[in-house]
Amino acid sequence: DAGVIQSPRHEVTEMGQEVTLRCKPISGHNSLFWYRQTMMRGLELLIYFNNNVPIDDSGMPEDRFSAKMPNASFSTLKIQPSEPRDSAVYFCASNTGDEKLFFGSGTQLSVL
Amino acid sequence: EDQVTQSPEALRLQEGESSSLNCSYTVSGLRGLFWYRQDPGKGPEFLFTLYSAGEEKEKERLKATLTKKESFLHITAPKPEDSATYLCAVQPTGNQFYFGTGTSLTVIP
Repeated sequence: DAGVIQSPRHEVTEMGQEVTLRCKPISGHNSLFWYRQTMMRGLELLIYFNNNVPIDDSGMPEDRFSAKMPNASFSTLKIQPSEPRDSAVYFCASNTGDEKLFFGSGTQLSVL
Repeated sequence: EDQVTQSPEALRLQEGESSSLNCSYTVSGLRGLFWYRQDPGKGPEFLFTLYSAGEEKEKERLKATLTKKESFLHITAPKPEDSATYLCAVQPTGNQFYFGTGTSLTVIP
């Protein structure tokens, strides 16, 4: 099993640019989560999907953030326009049956 | 409001010096409490799930315990390879998980 796969591992961009983060969950998992991790706030839930449907997006900071899950094996998190305060590590995780989360290796985002 | 607080923020131990990490929580209802280990540059890796007060789980030098208000991760005779950040998460209801900010553990040879 390849685990949860995220890309890119690192992203450096300039303020105002669009950023797209990608995630492939573990095959057979029906829930997918996007988290953001910073030193100050730790891991914050941004949004989670169940069976490709967004269930809770209350953690999405503002309209600049959007997430999609067009099918069971792919999800994107988009930031447009990006700002320096968006710099963080973004993790994708998946699970099935409300059990433990499996995390990807994360995307380190730096917005200059 | 559901809250998870971990202490201490950072802990330095000599190799072989046992200690405990704390996770206190305030939730409306608890389906499960999870411990994860996170190494630098990697995603959190699952260690334990605890479901009810009084429950204990063990894995090598680690033992997790749970009460109605807190959980402890006991580390017995730690080794340098135990150095990592340890995260606690609670699952109040459904399929949502709330994480603490973690304890950064350094074990000195």
